[in-house]
Amino acid sequence: AQSVTQLDSQVPVFEEAPVELRCNYSSSVSVYLFWYVQYPNQGLQLLLKYLSGSTLVKGINGFEAEFNKSQTSFHLRKPSVHISDTAEYFCAVSVSLSGYSTLTFGKGTMLLVSP
Amino acid sequence: NAGVTQTPKFQVLKTGQSMTLQCAQDMNHEYMSWYRQDPGMGLRLIHYSVGAGITDQGEVPNGYNVSRSTTEDFPLRLLSAAPSQTSVYFCASRSQPPRSGNLYEQYFGPGTRLTVT
Repeated sequence: AQSVTQLDSQVPVFEEAPVELRCNYSSSVSVYLFWYVQYPNQGLQLLLKYLSGSTLVKGINGFEAEFNKSQTSFHLRKPSVHISDTAEYFCAVSVSLSGYSTLTFGKGTMLLVSP
Repeated sequence: NAGVTQTPKFQVLKTGQSMTLQCAQDMNHEYMSWYRQDPGMGLRLIHYSVGAGITDQGEVPNGYNVSRSTTEDFPLRLLSAAPSQTSVYFCASRSQPPRSGNLYEQYFGPGTRLTVT
């Protein structure tokens, strides 16, 4: 079975600073990786996904992530954060793209951006 | 499109009561799922469905029932609520392979916050 570890439960950062949110996964087979964002009192929204091809994936709102198979990681980065980026971020993994495949989520990282 | 809608937004139940959380989507998605979100636990899959008449269990199915009689609706039933079911519940849907476009993007509803006393 696959699993996801988000190494930081909370990441405080100042506005306009760079940020990296860490995600490691465990799986014995090929994986497909996702980052979702949850703004306060809202549902989840897809930020970006890695299915195949280039290991550097660009998403919405200036975020990007790099798939590193040897490190089993999929860290999320942004070069300069805004106050509006304050939200909870979830890394998720699937081992299949079949109709029956399910997503396994990490426990989330709260990004707190202050002025 | 309204996307994924959930009702109610908030609900308080007493232990032992039953209720149904409603979920509907208007995107003609075959796949629908229910998650619960608890502090420090992330999202955990309760049940999912790959089409009308087909459902399966996720990671934490105990205490919950589902059925899927139409493509649009996927209600979640709590037969006898327990305090351990206090949580925020999210419904999600996605299109199925081999449809292209936003492959594998799950669309989430706004959530139902349930408190069981």
